[in-house]
Amino acid sequence: DAKTTQPPSMDCAEGRAANLPCNHSTISGNEYVYWYRQIHSQGPQYIIHGLKNNETNEMASLIITEDRKSSTLILPHATLRDTAVYYCIVRLLPYAGGTSYGKLTFGQGTILTVHP
Amino acid sequence: GAVVSQHPSRVICKSGTSVKIECRSLDFQATTMFWYRQFPKQSLMLMATSNEGSKATYEQGVEKDKFLINHASLTLSTLTVTSAHPEDSSFYICSAVTLSGVVNIQYFGAGTRLSVL
Repeated sequence: DAKTTQPPSMDCAEGRAANLPCNHSTISGNEYVYWYRQIHSQGPQYIIHGLKNNETNEMASLIITEDRKSSTLILPHATLRDTAVYYCIVRLLPYAGGTSYGKLTFGQGTILTVHP
Repeated sequence: GAVVSQHPSRVICKSGTSVKIECRSLDFQATTMFWYRQFPKQSLMLMATSNEGSKATYEQGVEKDKFLINHASLTLSTLTVTSAHPEDSSFYICSAVTLSGVVNIQYFGAGTRLSVL
């Protein structure tokens, strides 16, 4: 699986958009980008995933560059409860319908602190 | 999203005893579940892959006889830490895999904090 690079920490003001970058310059064509976050002392929470198109759900938006070498997770209106470690993970899509589900390899992530 | 329940959330035990942690997928069936361990200020480290009806696959350096995994049904996997010692104190987290279209998504439990005295 491709390696990802994220800034170790970021700050954001409450109510503003939080833009978390991720570099995955060695990504291959059949690898997806996943984002998870982990609030202190809890299990990771799935946020969003994408292949090459931009994606949006109720939690966030994922912007993937055209060359797919980097992506940005956007929390449009950050709240204090969004303070967490955010993980960007790139993983090969396993054979759908088979049993070879791929592992997730967690890096150090970005510590996002949302302040009042 | 899918719900994964993990129990207990916290356990304190004496050195030498065994501790069992349960991981349940509440609203979906999971052929595959994963077990992770997280030490303070560190990231999650995969311990093993649990497959329903077959033996678990352990990551390098993880003792299979110490960390027993049983995936007896499509909704339940258990991790038993045998003869626990203080160095086994950690945050243990499970995840279960479900399909979203053609992509599989891992959903995580809330974690179990194990303290071995």
